[in-house]
Amino acid sequence: QSVVTQPPSASGTPGQRVTISCSGGTSNIGSNPVNWYQHLPGSAPKLLMYADGQRPSGVPDRFSGSRSGTSASLAISGLQSEDEADYYCAAWDDSLNAFLFGPGTTVTV
Amino acid sequence: VHLVESGGGLAKPGESLRLACTTSGFSFNSYSMNWVRQAPGKGLEWISSIAASVGYLYYGASVKGRFTISRDNAKSTVYLQMDSLRAEDTAIYYCAGGWEGGQHFDVWGRGTVVTVSS
Repeated sequence: QSVVTQPPSASGTPGQRVTISCSGGTSNIGSNPVNWYQHLPGSAPKLLMYADGQRPSGVPDRFSGSRSGTSASLAISGLQSEDEADYYCAAWDDSLNAFLFGPGTTVTV
Repeated sequence: VHLVESGGGLAKPGESLRLACTTSGFSFNSYSMNWVRQAPGKGLEWISSIAASVGYLYYGASVKGRFTISRDNAKSTVYLQMDSLRAEDTAIYYCAGGWEGGQHFDVWGRGTVVTVSS
């Protein structure tokens, strides 16, 4: 059972906005930056967002991230079919001395 | 940027495997390296990290005491020695790296499959 939680699924039609939540505790999301990864089965996971809301080079600005307290969120605006993937939030946990991944959210377009 | 995992395969419970991740195209010596796995039908699970140079090692609870991470900066390679394997260690194992000082993994390999079964 993950101490970081995410909804198992999210969906939207092309062009819509979808938001994925990520909830943790004071020792992880409450204390450390949140990162988001996009994963398509059979391929390498990809860093989508780091340090709460920073986009790596090449990631469209349709993706945005934020963190407040012990929660974080990833928003995808202008949803496209290519956005169908699993999305994971992750953060370092100061108490466990471990990186924690959320259970993942499957986005369906 | 290339990260290529190797060493996966079939092992019996209690046996050992050694994974390697050979890298190129980025400043390996400045990157913390990690192993992340995905069991069948499950999500991503971080299992171990090794710092770029100081040698800090971290392990997830599920593998602590059984797995050992190491690196050879001269070869730009990170290893995962997996001992006392269990059926629940069956997964795709990815290596991932992140700039030392950051807490994110910006380079990833495509993974190697480990199956533990009698």
